[in-house]
Amino acid sequence: GIQVEQSPPDLILQEGANSTLRCNFSDSVNNLQWFHQNPWGQLINLFYIPSGTKQNGRLSATTVATERYSLLYISSSQTTDSGVYFCAVFNKFYFGSGTKLNVKP
Amino acid sequence: SAVISQKPSRDICQRGTSLTIQCQVDSQVTMMFWYRQQPGQSLTLIATANQGSEATYESGFVIDKFPISRPNLTFSTLTVSNMSPEDSSIYLCSVAILTSNEQFFGPGTRLTVL
Repeated sequence: GIQVEQSPPDLILQEGANSTLRCNFSDSVNNLQWFHQNPWGQLINLFYIPSGTKQNGRLSATTVATERYSLLYISSSQTTDSGVYFCAVFNKFYFGSGTKLNVKP
Repeated sequence: SAVISQKPSRDICQRGTSLTIQCQVDSQVTMMFWYRQQPGQSLTLIATANQGSEATYESGFVIDKFPISRPNLTFSTLTVSNMSPEDSSIYLCSVAILTSNEQFFGPGTRLTVL
């Protein structure tokens, strides 16, 4: 099956810092999404981005399908950004292992 | 998008009992899925809930342990049968909307088995 690898596994930021999260996948995909799982367990849709670039406020994402990776950018991080970020490909419903982000005030 | 509700939101159950989790979506969707998230882990697909027919299970999951129903386009249930402490997890329902393949998740059911 498709391998989905996320890096880094853990990230600690000072409030206001920027960060880049990476998702590598081992085969071509027709559906890639980024999610934020907040401390209460709720999965929040961030981006549906099988290719190209999208922006939503302080967040943006880029998927380069031909090179099999996707990036999630978080600018001016806030404490509410804390939680786990998952990349998922839905050819066959593979989730990465996640990046656990902790933003300190 | 889609608004998804799950009941119960959490439960504590005894070993050997069964729990049925309900998932309701506010609009007709093409596909409904059930996932499990074990403590500190990522999500794993259990099965695809098919309307009016048997669910399609992923490797490692069987109907006797996780029976699933989907009587219509907006409702599904997952039962966790003959529970053991290893079944302690968050169980999440998700849907794929008609206009795209984008998936949306319910709030999850946090299950603890003693």
